[in-house]
Amino acid sequence: EAQVTQNPRYLITVTGKKLTVTCSQNMNHEYMSWYRQDPGLGLRQIYYSMNVEVTDKGDVPEGYKVSRKEKRNFPLILESPSPNQTSLYFCASRPADREETQYFGPGTRLLVL
Amino acid sequence: GEDVEQSLFLSVREGDSSVINCTYTDSSSTYLYWYKQEPGAGLQLLTYIFSNMDMKQDQRLTVLLNKKDKHLSLRIADTQTGDSAIYFCAESPGDKLIFGTGTRLQVFP
Repeated sequence: EAQVTQNPRYLITVTGKKLTVTCSQNMNHEYMSWYRQDPGLGLRQIYYSMNVEVTDKGDVPEGYKVSRKEKRNFPLILESPSPNQTSLYFCASRPADREETQYFGPGTRLLVL
Repeated sequence: GEDVEQSLFLSVREGDSSVINCTYTDSSSTYLYWYKQEPGAGLQLLTYIFSNMDMKQDQRLTVLLNKKDKHLSLRIADTQTGDSAIYFCAESPGDKLIFGTGTRLQVFP
């Protein structure tokens, strides 16, 4: 089954404790991205990657890092989480030449205390 | 700048039609999208429209695009309780999606 998976689905952590949210897709997609969803703000893009070893900032990259060492994986790293990063995070992927075909993961709900 | 606006709430009676509206700002978007988010779930692509089209129909869904006014709408015919969800419109300038704030559709019997 074609899908985007994220782990963990739910996470409670404390300020300053480094964490990684994993994202994996099994569709051989070139393009992957991370979004955060906050009430009243919709979804905002954090980072995106056009292909392996190619990443770029989205609209709200501060406090986040990403890496794209393999095509299928695109982890989101919070080196020193803060309470304002409490949010619902979505990973997405699509083929490079099929802009209209984007698949979203199920979301990761993060609470930073 | 890039900005996509939607009203926050819509409440309709089961069996009626729902119309969710959206305005966007970037006329360079190739496609415009409607996504659905059910409670506790991720985003599901409902439908999309190519920017040179005025209308697209897909079963109970009708998308209307007014490029002059940068207005996009989603009509759901015969709305059912299973249609209760948050609906996001999105534009796509370049390599990213710009989402609206989402419209929460509530369907009551």
